[in-house]
Amino acid sequence: AQSVAQPEDQVNVAEGNPLTVKCTYSVSGNPYLFWYVQYPNRGLQFLLKYITGDNLVKGSYGFEAEFNKSQTSFHLKKPSALVSDSALYFCAVRDGNFGNEKLTFGTGTRLTIIP
Amino acid sequence: ETGVTQSPTHLIKTRGQQVTLRCSSQSGHNTVSWYQQALGQGPQFIFQYYREEENGRGNFPPRFSGLQFPNYSSELNVNALELDDSALYLCASRWTGEETQYFGPGTRLLVL
Repeated sequence: AQSVAQPEDQVNVAEGNPLTVKCTYSVSGNPYLFWYVQYPNRGLQFLLKYITGDNLVKGSYGFEAEFNKSQTSFHLKKPSALVSDSALYFCAVRDGNFGNEKLTFGTGTRLTIIP
Repeated sequence: ETGVTQSPTHLIKTRGQQVTLRCSSQSGHNTVSWYQQALGQGPQFIFQYYREEENGRGNFPPRFSGLQFPNYSSELNVNALELDDSALYLCASRWTGEETQYFGPGTRLLVL
């Protein structure tokens, strides 16, 4: 079985400060990892993914994430937070083995950027 | 925006009724997945369709069923609605060789 844990329900960061949203995962095969963002009354918007290669991946809107295999983590980061980054963030994992293509999501972290 | 569209945006039904939700995939995408997002939770995988056949299913009962059409659009059908079926239903599409799923805006279903 595959699972994702987002240990923080809520993260508050002052505008201009760096932000981190934490994610750890469990999967039997090769992990395919994703971050999505959800704004109020909207669907999920893709931010970035790790499939293979460089452990540091860069995505939309200045976000990046670091894959750490030994810690089974995939934390989302941004050097300088904007008020417009305030939203609900979901980490998701998929087993890279063919035939098991469902995404398993965490429970989400609400990010609030304080002006 | 992703190019994935869903209809209707909102829906109110009563317990025991049946509902059909619709999804139009992004152009060029041939694989569609459906997810249920209850209030305050992450999305839960319902099933996936490829080449008009279901090829993956999550932990949902048979009263959740689907269809995929030759143009890759899709339907989610739920029979014998229960109060716990109240949720945001999300459709996601992708090209089969691509890992990223692109989500539509969702249909919010309320069962009274």
